Amino acid sequence: DADVTQTPRNRITKTGKRIMLECSQTKGHDRMYWYRQDPGLGLRLIYYSFDVKDINKGEISDGYSVSRQAQAKFSLSLESAIPNQTALYFCATSDFDGITDTQYFGPGTRLTVL
Amino acid sequence: AQSVSQHNHHVILSEAASLELGCNYSYGGTVNLFWYVQYPGQHLQLLLKYFSGDPLVKGIKGFEAEFIKSKFSFNLRKPSVQWSDTAEYFCAVNAPFFGNEKLTFGTGTRLTIIP
Repeated sequence: DADVTQTPRNRITKTGKRIMLECSQTKGHDRMYWYRQDPGLGLRLIYYSFDVKDINKGEISDGYSVSRQAQAKFSLSLESAIPNQTALYFCATSDFDGITDTQYFGPGTRLTVL
Repeated sequence: AQSVSQHNHHVILSEAASLELGCNYSYGGTVNLFWYVQYPGQHLQLLLKYFSGDPLVKGIKGFEAEFIKSKFSFNLRKPSVQWSDTAEYFCAVNAPFFGNEKLTFGTGTRLTIIP
């Protein structure tokens, strides 16, 4: 969905390096999410933010940090990358209307840690 | 906490065959259910969703899913698959009405359609 963009799309880095993945959205949604996808494990939630002042850990937040710079921007950082963080990373947004909450995904960032 | 099970890890079908992918969830309250599709090399796209009302939900590209509350199931169906349906399919659930908006995904089912 072109409304959710991620940069970079591919990144190869070395163990110990600091990496930042960026996500921007033009959907006007308050809620943003970071997931990682590993073969056979589906998508697992890393962090999520329901508004600019709200940041929450997901099920696998260790080794990651996030920053919500604005409603439209949500960055994921790996402070010291390790090989088992090699994965496909997706950003998503959603707009909760009080009853329903549907998430829309960005194109993904393929990260390889050597 | 909710969980989602997709028991079919890899399904191989010939074109024009009928498709049914299983999805079972565990959660005691009212849930919202989703099917997402991921074509090779692409991001997840919403295929269909169920919030309330008619338990038979129709989505894009001829897909449909039926919510059976008594079985905690939300199986995805298509009467006649095409080669272009080759993709990975993910079932997901959340329960926003109960304050649990986080989406929980199943591990996915890889669908391969043989021409």
